Amino acid sequence: SAVISQKPSRDICQRGTSLTIQCQVDSQVTMMFWYRQQPGQSLTLIATANQGSEATYESGFVIDKFPISRPNLTFSTLTVSNMSPEDSSIYLCSARVSYNEQFFGPGTRLTVL
Amino acid sequence: AQKITQTQPGMFVQEKEAVTLDCTYDTSDQSYGLFWYKQPSSGEMIFLIYQGSYDEQNATEGRYSLNFQKARKSANLVISASQLGDSAMYFCAMRGTTGNQFYFGTGTSLTVIP
Repeated sequence: SAVISQKPSRDICQRGTSLTIQCQVDSQVTMMFWYRQQPGQSLTLIATANQGSEATYESGFVIDKFPISRPNLTFSTLTVSNMSPEDSSIYLCSARVSYNEQFFGPGTRLTVL
Repeated sequence: AQKITQTQPGMFVQEKEAVTLDCTYDTSDQSYGLFWYKQPSSGEMIFLIYQGSYDEQNATEGRYSLNFQKARKSANLVISASQLGDSAMYFCAMRGTTGNQFYFGTGTSLTVIP
């Protein structure tokens, strides 16, 4: 298994600002992902965080809005840029240990005013 | 296209009783994996159980079991001896053969009544 921590656990931000969320895994993993969960909704994949190269974004998500870093096999950051109230969500980091093992961090609960 | 359907937005169960949460899926992949996660109000996603499409036995993990019916494309989660701490959202998810996408259902909110 993998233990995943995220910082911050929650934040309240002003419109137009940016927030960087950190994700730390307790072991080296090949694949890390960022998900968004809007209020009352299911999870949506934002991007795959690739170590040593640019992240792979899903349809509807762009690098300018959600820049991602993956400097090594245990750490990744997601920045939510130029925030608006529509960005209020839970952001979850995820790590795939094997085909049948994918774990999630505790999430970052973001509120944008 | 891959799709996960959870038709029960909310379920209630009496403490100590068993409950079944429904999940059906659609995929053209021959090999795939099915997952169940629990999400308490705190927001974390807790992995519960996994079933591979070629697994002949239904998966079990403690009080959780997965009723896998491949021909019907269903992967229902059974929770035995419900506890108050089981109250949470439950998500069914699927991964196919290729790609990174992890397809989630819309979730079922379970409330355990004392």
